[in-house]
Amino acid sequence: GQQVMQIPQYQHVQEGEDFTTYCNSSTTLSNIQWYKQRPGGHPVFLIQLVKSGEVKKQKRLTFQFGEAKKNSSLHITATQTTDVGTYFCAGPSNAGNMLTFGGGTRLMVKP
Amino acid sequence: NAGVTQTPKFRVLKTGQSMTLLCAQDMNHEYMYWYRQDPGMGLRLIHYSVGEGTTAKGEVPDGYNVSRLKKQNFLLGLESAAPSQTSVYFCASSYVGIMQPQHFGDGTRLSIL
Repeated sequence: GQQVMQIPQYQHVQEGEDFTTYCNSSTTLSNIQWYKQRPGGHPVFLIQLVKSGEVKKQKRLTFQFGEAKKNSSLHITATQTTDVGTYFCAGPSNAGNMLTFGGGTRLMVKP
Repeated sequence: NAGVTQTPKFRVLKTGQSMTLLCAQDMNHEYMYWYRQDPGMGLRLIHYSVGEGTTAKGEVPDGYNVSRLKKQNFLLGLESAAPSQTSVYFCASSYVGIMQPQHFGDGTRLSIL
């Protein structure tokens, strides 16, 4: 079945450094969503990408959807301690009836 | 505006006991979902519902049952709890369609001894 893989699993950065997490699917996705989960919290929707090659920005966060719609990335410029958490990507299953979540990338920021 | 509310927040069960987790949403969403989250494994869908009176199996439905008698409520039941069901359970809701953003509750941390 369809799988969504994320790398890296963990990332430690110094505050002010950049951070990138990558999401790869075994199949072409109609769309991809990104969520953030703070430690001890619940996932919160960040953004959805639909078009091939799409790039969207939210302040210091840049989201990209690959040309083949099989991969996506989230880049954070100049990380802050408020960026700490786990970032998940999610794409539709092959049957299109549910979201399949990646395993997440846990970001830790040292002040 | 409470959003998605889950009760209880924590629970400890003994193997073989049963319990029901309650999820309530006040956003008039049609779709509701139950996920479990285990360390390093992301979120896995247990069951979902596309409207009042409907339920469907997700990725990991075994050992769980659900009911959606009212649009705003989605119940998750464990008939005979097993240690493998120790996890954090999240309920979510959305407007019609899986392309819609999902809104999550705060989660229920369940331990089964």
